[in-house]
Amino acid sequence: EIVMTQSPASLSVSPGGGATLSCRASQSVSSNLAWFQQKPGQAPRLLIYGASTRATGIPARFSGSGSGTEFTLTISSLQSEDFAVYYCQQYNSWWTFGQGTKVEIK
Amino acid sequence: EVQLVESGGGLVQPGGSLRLSCAASGFTFSSYDMNWVRQAPGKGLEWVSVIGDSGGSTYYADSVKGRFTVARDNSKNTLFLQMNTLRAEDTAVYYCAKGQRYSGTYTFDSWGQGTLVTVSS
Repeated sequence: EIVMTQSPASLSVSPGGGATLSCRASQSVSSNLAWFQQKPGQAPRLLIYGASTRATGIPARFSGSGSGTEFTLTISSLQSEDFAVYYCQQYNSWWTFGQGTKVEIK
Repeated sequence: EVQLVESGGGLVQPGGSLRLSCAASGFTFSSYDMNWVRQAPGKGLEWVSVIGDSGGSTYYADSVKGRFTVARDNSKNTLFLQMNTLRAEDTAVYYCAKGQRYSGTYTFDSWGQGTLVTVSS
């Protein structure tokens, strides 16, 4: 099983600020990496697939990068609706998720 | 618009059974693999099972293999998860999720709102 490790576990950011979230895979997943956003009481929402392609309707302030084992989700100019938990997921070999990074208001 | 609506969750005793359903609309259901993903209270996401578009292939996470069975009825656009011999550690919100291929492999582009399964005496 491919283990996904996210860092940090939580992040405090001021509205309008930027956030950088990291995700590491225990072995190469090529670019088969997705990012999801989850708000309390809601289902996850696909943000990024293919490591760097935004899903339909996702604002340009969300960007993804990386390949192989190291990946990054960058959120620029955080809006109030962006405070949530973010999960990375590899889909190169079955599907496994990271443990999540909570982005909180500072 | 894609819609996935789960139902069938509830409180069940350890060792008991439960059948979840997921009603799909807004897309050609029979053309997509479908998945179940669960989330224990306050925890992360865990993939549970996948069924191919025709229903001919099914796969399970080791944690549920031999106890859970996934099925689908393409004539009714409905996905099912039969859960037997339930354990306390199966307590979670169960989501159905539509598979979307982007380059050979696929991730989950649409999710239902989830249904809560609680296993407790």
